[in-house]
Amino acid sequence: SQTIHQWPATLVQPVGSPLSLECTVEGTSNPNLYWYRQAAGRGLQLLFYSVGIGQISSEVPQNLSASRPQDRQFILSSKKLLLSDSGFYLCAWTAGKSSTDTQYFGPGTRLTVL
Amino acid sequence: AQKVTQAQTEISVVEKEDVTLDCVYETRDTTYYLFWYKQPPSGELVFLIRRNSFDEQNEISGRYSWNFQKSTSSFNFTITASQVVDSAVYFCALSEPYSGYSTLTFGKGTMLLVSP
Repeated sequence: SQTIHQWPATLVQPVGSPLSLECTVEGTSNPNLYWYRQAAGRGLQLLFYSVGIGQISSEVPQNLSASRPQDRQFILSSKKLLLSDSGFYLCAWTAGKSSTDTQYFGPGTRLTVL
Repeated sequence: AQKVTQAQTEISVVEKEDVTLDCVYETRDTTYYLFWYKQPPSGELVFLIRRNSFDEQNEISGRYSWNFQKSTSSFNFTITASQVVDSAVYFCALSEPYSGYSTLTFGKGTMLLVSP
């Protein structure tokens, strides 16, 4: 069966520090991968998606970037964190390439920027 | 543009009560998919159901049931005999069918609090 991991689970970082969040999927090949951010107001915002290694699409221009160095690994990064980067970051995957595939989410990373 | 509205921000019920979470959507597409996810306090979004626009049959899974009505663009979710473990934020979502990847338009969520 497929599983998705995210780490760290919780992170507290000072403003201006770098960020690296990791997401890995097991039990599937060539998934589509997604990064979401959920702010305090509960809304889910799609940040990036990837349909393959090295292929990243950004939905919202901002202080963050994403990379996919391996088939089942998706990394969210920042060179300098802002206070507004605080939130709950969720990684998701779909098995296929159809636009109607079900997204399955990871456990999330709670980021607090002070 | 697609839109999903969950008008109920918070609902509080007592255990064993039935509760219905409303979801109204807007889309110009004739083919689309609707989803419900549960987000317990731990934070992970748990997939509950996926329904395509051509299947208007109601779905029942244990204490959960879903009522899909295209005529009113609604996809409501009912929990029968609610339990404390049902306390969570529930999201309704709509997929856009013509992109090359899964795109979900989420509602803002309904927080359900079930007290003993």
